[in-house]
Amino acid sequence: NAGVTQTPKFQVLKTGQSMTLQCAQDMNHNSMYWYRQDPGMGLRLIYYSASEGTTDKGEVPNGYNVSRLNKREFSLRLESAAPSQTSVYFCASSEAGQVDGYTFGSGTRLTVV
Amino acid sequence: AQKITQTQPGMFVQEKEAVTLDCTYDTSDPSYGLFWYKQPSSGEMIFLIYQGSYDQQNATEGRYSLNFQKARKSANLVISASQLGDSAMYFCAMSNSSASKIIFGSGTRLSIRP
Repeated sequence: NAGVTQTPKFQVLKTGQSMTLQCAQDMNHNSMYWYRQDPGMGLRLIYYSASEGTTDKGEVPNGYNVSRLNKREFSLRLESAAPSQTSVYFCASSEAGQVDGYTFGSGTRLTVV
Repeated sequence: AQKITQTQPGMFVQEKEAVTLDCTYDTSDPSYGLFWYKQPSSGEMIFLIYQGSYDQQNATEGRYSLNFQKARKSANLVISASQLGDSAMYFCAMSNSSASKIIFGSGTRLSIRP
């Protein structure tokens, strides 16, 4: 089925470890996004990529880096994980002007101990 | 800067009753879009309804309707004839004029009582 695929679904890291969250979409969308969702809160935008080759900071970019590898893939990297980065991470994609919003992945639940 | 506010952290409603979830927004862009998403306990984000800032009529999708009051900057979601399966978190969201990104409110947890 077409959609947004995130890997891994679950991850536990120790403070200071690094990791990369992977995201791929097969809908030929130009725009891709990374959000984090903390318990009882809405989604906050970390980084987004309006098109292949471009990336921009969102509301909460500190502690993260991103790479738009190609049109399909948008990865999120934590260089030195901190407990404050414990969260559920959602990747999404869209086409500009798309009236049904974004297509979301199923999320990655990350715990930093 | 854009901002979305949802003032109801949680709501309880009797099955088959209608329910209104509140959402107010702030933006200086003349062109924007408003969305509602549902997040059940399984965690996925489900798109419900969209309203464009220039749309003259309120959006409707089945049992969902969006009560858009532009002058008051409100975009309330109305669910008619609520069902047990409507129990979930509901997020109001807004896109900017270029539709390049969406920001979300803090959400309302809706619980439907049998």
